Amino acid sequence: AQSVTQLGSHVSVSEGALVLLRCNYSSSVPPYLFWYVQYPNQGLQLLLKYTSAATLVKGINGFEAEFKKSETSFHLTKPSAHMSDAAEYFCAVSKNNDMRFGAGTRLTVKP
Amino acid sequence: KAGVTQTPRYLIKTRGQQVTLSCSPISGHRSVSWYQQTPGQGLQFLFEYFSETQRNKGNFPGRFSGRQFSNSRSEMNVSTLELGDSALYLCASSLESGSSTGELFFGEGSRLTVL
Repeated sequence: AQSVTQLGSHVSVSEGALVLLRCNYSSSVPPYLFWYVQYPNQGLQLLLKYTSAATLVKGINGFEAEFKKSETSFHLTKPSAHMSDAAEYFCAVSKNNDMRFGAGTRLTVKP
Repeated sequence: KAGVTQTPRYLIKTRGQQVTLSCSPISGHRSVSWYQQTPGQGLQFLFEYFSETQRNKGNFPGRFSGRQFSNSRSEMNVSTLELGDSALYLCASSLESGSSTGELFFGEGSRLTVL
């Protein structure tokens, strides 16, 4: 079964700094990959998804992720962090109607 | 378009009781999935319903059950509650049997506390 591993349960950056949240997947064939964001006391919201059309995927709020098959990675980046980006981020993989989420990375943005 | 609605948002129960949570999907969505979210275990898949049929089931005991009605609304039930069932229960809907394309739309969750 496929799975995802998010490296780092907590990431802290300064406002204006680069955001890099890491996700590695395990799957025998290229799966569908996703990043979701969860703000406090809310459900999850889709940030972006990879479905094999393009390796660099642009999402909402200035986030993007690059699918690298050779590294089995799908890291999430944003060039300049904003205070409103503070949230928990989940990487997810889906294949054959089976979606699995990573453990999540809590992003803190310092002023 | 209204989003996914979950009720109740918060509830407190005692051990041994049972609870029923409700989820109304986005209009036109036929698939509803349920997840349990806890600080220790993260997001764990409970089950998915599509057109009133359970399509997929996670690794949870039989105390956790669900159903879907003809209007796509879904309920999940937990019987004989245990302290460890305290969690945020998230419902997600999608147009098709959703997890294959990942377009899951989540509700805000029902936070269950078991005392």
